[in-house]
Amino acid sequence: EADIYQTPRYLVIGTGKKITLECSQTMGHDKMYWYQQDPGMELHLIHYSYGVNSTEKGDLSSESTVSRIRTEHFPLTLESARPSHTSQYLCASGRGGMSGEQYFGPGTRLTVT
Amino acid sequence: AQKITQTQPGMFVQEKEAVTLDCTYDTSDQSYGLFWYKQPSSGEMIFLIYQGSYDEQNATEGRYSLNFQKARKSANLVISASQLGDSAMYFCAMREAGSARQLTFGSGTQLTVLP
Repeated sequence: EADIYQTPRYLVIGTGKKITLECSQTMGHDKMYWYQQDPGMELHLIHYSYGVNSTEKGDLSSESTVSRIRTEHFPLTLESARPSHTSQYLCASGRGGMSGEQYFGPGTRLTVT
Repeated sequence: AQKITQTQPGMFVQEKEAVTLDCTYDTSDQSYGLFWYKQPSSGEMIFLIYQGSYDEQNATEGRYSLNFQKARKSANLVISASQLGDSAMYFCAMREAGSARQLTFGSGTQLTVLP
């Protein structure tokens, strides 16, 4: 059973607000990831981290930012939410290696009005 | 070019029958890994099965098996004895040795199991 948590599960917020999506894992994984997924569509990597104080942007350009101050915590922040940010955001972690699967959190469904 | 191609947006299967979900991939790496994930309507991603490029045997996990044809660059998922709970979105993904170990996902196949 994977132990990776995301809060909130659902968020409806107005344009211009600052939001932080929380992601925590208790498996001690070094590698953590954020994906963005529109309904019924593929996942796109927007940020990843290989360890504390290491963050990189993914394939899909995103206005969000991330931080990795502790191994278990990988929050994603949007300074000023816009309707175009409406999507599902999935956090994942993994032990790395070619065969290491990524364990996913339940996701946050964000709606910006 | 798409790295992972899933050509079946939607599939239907009768309960207790087998179904094959197609996945083709494109890479120039010799070392890579292929994954299948299931995403129910609740939204979470559930890992199903893994196949490494150097694995000679097709991977199997319970009712899931991966039909790996390296020369054709295909990694189809076979689900045997389908159950109603198998109704979900299924994603094929690849990790390449030369791409910082990230996963690249296909567009998914929506599987519906009919009673």
